[in-house]
Amino acid sequence: AQSVAQPEDQVNVAEGNPLTVKCTYSVSGNPYLFWYVQYPNRGLQFLLKYITGDNLVKGSYGFEAEFNKSQTSFHLKKPSALVSDSALYFCAVRDISGGYNKLIFGAGTRLAVHP
Amino acid sequence: DADVTQTPRNRITKTGKRIMLECSQTKGHDRMYWYRQDPGLGLRLIYYSFDVKDINKGEISDGYSVSRQAQAKFSLSLESAIPNQTALYFCATTGTSGTGELFFGEGSRLTVL
Repeated sequence: AQSVAQPEDQVNVAEGNPLTVKCTYSVSGNPYLFWYVQYPNRGLQFLLKYITGDNLVKGSYGFEAEFNKSQTSFHLKKPSALVSDSALYFCAVRDISGGYNKLIFGAGTRLAVHP
Repeated sequence: DADVTQTPRNRITKTGKRIMLECSQTKGHDRMYWYRQDPGLGLRLIYYSFDVKDINKGEISDGYSVSRQAQAKFSLSLESAIPNQTALYFCATTGTSGTGELFFGEGSRLTVL
């Protein structure tokens, strides 16, 4: 079965410092990987995705993610964190078992950016 | 206006009551999903539908039912609510083409006392 793991419940970083939110995956076949962000009292917003091609994927709000096939990882990164980046981040993988397209989500990582 | 609209946004109810959460979308997508979010568990899939006549159970469908009234509408029902169904519920959509990216509503927070 397809799955993703987010090993950190929370990540703390100072404003202006680089941030990394980790995600590892387990899939059969080629992975389609996604990152979403959830701000308080809001739905999930799409940040970026990896389908194929360049291992470094750029997304919204200055975020990027690096796909690493040998380590089965898809870590979310940003060179300089902002306080407004504080939110809940979800990694997801596409599951097409049974011929139906679904997303399987990780448990989420709370990012706290301190002034 | 939001592309994916959920009603109600917040609801408090009592054990044993019937509850319906509604979702409508203006994106013209065929595929609609209901997820449940619990702290520390992420989002878990309850039901999904790829067209009006196609309904499928997800990971945690027990205690829930759905109705796809039209391409744009997908409702989730709890026939007899119980406290452990207290959660944040999300509706999401995606198109037939594309890579599976989901578009989410703002969520419906349900509290069962």
